[in-house]
Amino acid sequence: AQTVTQSQPEMSVQEAETVTLSCTYDTSESDYYLFWYKQPPSRQMILVIRQEAYKQQNATENRFSVNFQKAAKSFSLKISDSQLGDAAMYFCAYRSAYSGGSNYKLTFGKGTLLTVNP
Amino acid sequence: DGGITQSPKYLFRKEGQNVTLSCEQNLNHDAMYWYRQDPGQGLRLIYYSQIVNDFQKGDIAEGYSVSREKKESFPLTVTSAQKNPTAFYLCASNPRLDTGELFFGEGSRLTVL
Repeated sequence: AQTVTQSQPEMSVQEAETVTLSCTYDTSESDYYLFWYKQPPSRQMILVIRQEAYKQQNATENRFSVNFQKAAKSFSLKISDSQLGDAAMYFCAYRSAYSGGSNYKLTFGKGTLLTVNP
Repeated sequence: DGGITQSPKYLFRKEGQNVTLSCEQNLNHDAMYWYRQDPGQGLRLIYYSQIVNDFQKGDIAEGYSVSREKKESFPLTVTSAQKNPTAFYLCASNPRLDTGELFFGEGSRLTVL
């Protein structure tokens, strides 16, 4: 079974600074998807960024980028120019790219609570 | 607008009572999921369904039941057998045969008094 580990329960960053959230995962599969979700105080889950394992290029969405290290099974999220609205719980998640059975489900880490200080 | 609607948003129940949480989607997604969220535990999968009239247990199914009689609907019943039901419950869906991101409802907060 796949597992996702977020080793930082809480992080803080100054507004306009850069912060990196860590995520590692364990899998025996070679093809999969990785995600970062954001959960603000409203508790609505919002997809931040997605990475496909077969793509070597790191995904980027505006101020959000990832450092995907497949061999190390590491998938960190970098937030540049942090804004007050970035304050939220961030979840890393894994999904198999293979069809069938339980492979469509997402497995989540326990989350990292990000505080942005003005 | 397409989306996932969960109701009620807040629910209180007495010990020993069953309660049903509603989840409806108009995204025409095949697969639907129920996750439970507890502080410090992340999201844990309760049940999921890939097609109508079929569903599978997730990692923490004990004390819960579901049905999938319609594509749009995937209600979750929290039974009296669930020993610690107070939690935040999230319903999600995806088209199953694409790149896999989940679309989430706004959640339901269940408190057992």
